[in-house]
Amino acid sequence: SQQGEEDPQALSIQEGENATMNCSYKTSINNLQWYRQNSGRGLVHLILIRSNEREKHSGRLRVTLDTSKKSSSLLITASRAADTASYFCATDGETSGSRLTFGEGTQLTVNP
Amino acid sequence: GAVVSQHPSRVICKSGTSVKIECRSLDFQATTMFWYRQFPKQSLMLMATSNEGSKATYEQGVEKDKFLINHASLTLSTLTVTSAHPEDSSFYICSARSSHGYTFGSGTRLTVV
Repeated sequence: SQQGEEDPQALSIQEGENATMNCSYKTSINNLQWYRQNSGRGLVHLILIRSNEREKHSGRLRVTLDTSKKSSSLLITASRAADTASYFCATDGETSGSRLTFGEGTQLTVNP
Repeated sequence: GAVVSQHPSRVICKSGTSVKIECRSLDFQATTMFWYRQFPKQSLMLMATSNEGSKATYEQGVEKDKFLINHASLTLSTLTVTSAHPEDSSFYICSARSSHGYTFGSGTRLTVV
């Protein structure tokens, strides 16, 4: 069952702007991951943040995790048209075993 | 890195027929494979977890007799949609866990007409 909620559901920005997507979850987690999915394609792993970490960077990506609020955010800086895709957070936790539970996703559109 | 090959990428079948989707781990052994279904503009919903050499574990609401999962080897898991109906039209994605983390197949777009 889905436990994650993401907002916004859809985000449209101009190239060069930053995009912030948020994810909330309900149960205790071991890790939280962010994935990207181009339309009709599989998922591409972007970044993983462990439950004992608060922030992580990878290139133009910055992820934060607040376990007290059970929430995470993904920031994409200096966005490009090629960043247009759906972005999902996924958690694996103490009660879910090794299964990933996905959030509802954010559809990001970056206009050139 | 780890690669999961999923075939076919697209399939159109007639209502009432069965369709088999394959996922192969190419450079690692996948003792566990996860099968997801994704409807348009929605998130991935876990259907079942397959373990090599044992019965799959299905999520609540997923009919095990309709979605047959076989995981007979450490590198191959298959999902067969039996007696497909138009409402089974969806995007099906497999995933396996390796030392590199979770790796996803490229997905199968199933259209039942």
